[in-house]
Order: sequence, then C-alpha cells, then structure tokens
Amino acid sequence: AQSVAQPEDQVNVAEGNPLTVKCTYSVSGNPYLFWYVQYPNRGLQFLLKYITGDNLVKGSYGFEAEFNKSQTSFHLKKPSALVSDSALYFCAVRDITNAGKSTFGDGTTLTVKP
Amino acid sequence: SAVISQKPSRDICQRGTSLTIQCQVDSQVTMMFWYRQQPGQSLTLIATANQGSEATYESGFVIDKFPISRPNLTFSTLTVSNMSPEDSSIYLCSVEVVAGANEQFFGPGTRLTVL
Repeated sequence: AQSVAQPEDQVNVAEGNPLTVKCTYSVSGNPYLFWYVQYPNRGLQFLLKYITGDNLVKGSYGFEAEFNKSQTSFHLKKPSALVSDSALYFCAVRDITNAGKSTFGDGTTLTVKP
Repeated sequence: SAVISQKPSRDICQRGTSLTIQCQVDSQVTMMFWYRQQPGQSLTLIATANQGSEATYESGFVIDKFPISRPNLTFSTLTVSNMSPEDSSIYLCSVEVVAGANEQFFGPGTRLTVL
C-alpha cells in the first residue's frame, strides 16, 4: 500500500520569506513523488517530480523539493515567496509497481501575505 | 504535455437523474483517470478508464453508479447515475500521456450540484 501525509492544513508566510510545505510518504518499493498546485477556481497543475537521481529537484515558478529517503519526506520549498504563490498544494506518491495510480495527500493551503 | 477539456463545466441536477461528463484530450494518452474532489479538499480516485475494456474501479465505487466509457485514446465519459445530493462535487478527468514515471495532467473539472 502507498500513502502520503501533508501534516499542515495551512501554511502562512510573509512575502519575500522562504516557504516550506511538508510531505511524507510510505511505499513498499521505490517511490515516484510529485507536487501539484491548484490555484483558486482552476485545475491542478504539475510543479515538479522526483523519479531518480539528484535528491534536489527544481520545478516551475521557482519551486524546488528535496527527496530524503531516510526520512521518507519530499518537502516543497521556495527561497522567496510571492503573494501569487497562494494556492492549494498537493503532494502525490506512486509506487513504481502500482500500475500508474498515484495517491494524493490532503492538500496544504499556502497563504502568502504582502 | 496534454490539454484536457471537460463538458459541462458545471451543472445543477435533480435528485434521481443522471449526468454524463465528457473528457477530451488533444493527444493520444495511455492512462485516463476520473477523480472526485470536494472544493478545497483532496482528490479521490473513482476509476481508471481503460481503452477497449471495462474501467477499473476503486474501492467504494461501482460501475452501476459511475459507468465509464473510453472508446479511443483521446476521449472518455463518466456518468453519475441516479444522483443524490451526496454526489455534489467536482469531477476531474486526468491523464498520463505515457504510462510510467510521468506526471498527470488534469482537466478544469465539472462542478456538479444535486438538489
């Protein structure tokens, strides 16, 4: 079985400050890990993914995430938050043996205040 | 990448009726999925739409309630049958262009309200 946890329902940061949105996962084999973002009244968009290789992956809009196998985490980060980053963020995990089905976290609402 | 359109974008339906949601992709894709999402909440996978065969349903979802068609590699439909207010939700079509370690693309969603 595979699962993913986003321990924070809400994250609030000031514009210009660094942001972190947390994600931990559980899979029986090697994971594929993804971050998606959902802006208000819009569909989900892909941000970045970890498949293999470098533990630090870079994605759209200046976001990056670090894969930590020992801590089974894949936290999303950005050095300097923008008000326009305010959105709902989903972490997703897929076991490489699980026929293409991803499990999504409950989501974290990021609010960046000016 | 893939661009996905869904019809209708929203609808208000009466209890006991059925609604069919269409999902059209601008390119051939391997995997197509249907999700349900309450506004601001997580996604729940309903089923995987298989081209040329019956859809694969997740626990808690059955074909009689959510019949799915996928006649080709660019199109799928989801029907919500005999609707009740509990079916009010956002229904999302999603695709994976090539099965494997690939990200999913999502349609804009269909917002369904059942009275």
